[in-house]
Amino acid sequence: AQSVTQLGSHVSVSEGALVLLRCNYSSSVPPYLFWYVQYPNQGLQLLLKYTTGATLVKGINGFEAEFKKSETSFHLTKPSAHMSDAAEYFCAVSEAGGFKTIFGAGTRLFVKA
Amino acid sequence: DAGVTQSPTHLIKTRGQQVTLRCSPKSGHDTVSWYQQALGQGPQFIFQYYEEEERQRGNFPDRFSGHQFPNYSSELNVNALLLGDSALYLCASSLFGNTIYFGEGSWLTVV
Repeated sequence: AQSVTQLGSHVSVSEGALVLLRCNYSSSVPPYLFWYVQYPNQGLQLLLKYTTGATLVKGINGFEAEFKKSETSFHLTKPSAHMSDAAEYFCAVSEAGGFKTIFGAGTRLFVKA
Repeated sequence: DAGVTQSPTHLIKTRGQQVTLRCSPKSGHDTVSWYQQALGQGPQFIFQYYEEEERQRGNFPDRFSGHQFPNYSSELNVNALLLGDSALYLCASSLFGNTIYFGEGSWLTVV
């Protein structure tokens, strides 16, 4: 069975500071890993994904994540936070082949001016 | 190119009633998945449809049922509504094995 754990339900950073959102996964097969962002009262938008190949994945809005198999982690980072980054972020895992996607509980990012 | 579209966006139902939510997948996509997102939680997988068949199902009771039409659009039906069914219902579409795109969701309130 697959599962996702997001460490920290709330993260607060100052504008311009590093953003680090932590995600650990469990999977018995090679995983596909995703980060999604959700703004208030909206659906989910894909930030980035890892399927195979390069372990450092770059996404939209300056975000990137690194797949570390030995640590079963897929942490999301952004060098410099912007006020517009304030939102809920979800890490997710699925199997190759497009079956169900398992989501973490989410991390709400607050950005202070 | 239209993305995933869902209707209605908001609705209020009474306990015991039935509801139908609709989803049109992104153009070219053949797989539709439904998720329930309760307030303050991550989305929970309900089921997935491919080639008009339910391919995989999450841990939801039989009150939750679905359908996929030949044009790949899909419906989610929930019978005998409970207060706990109040949530954002998200539809996601994909082309087999590829990235999942989500719609804006349907907000269901059960009173």
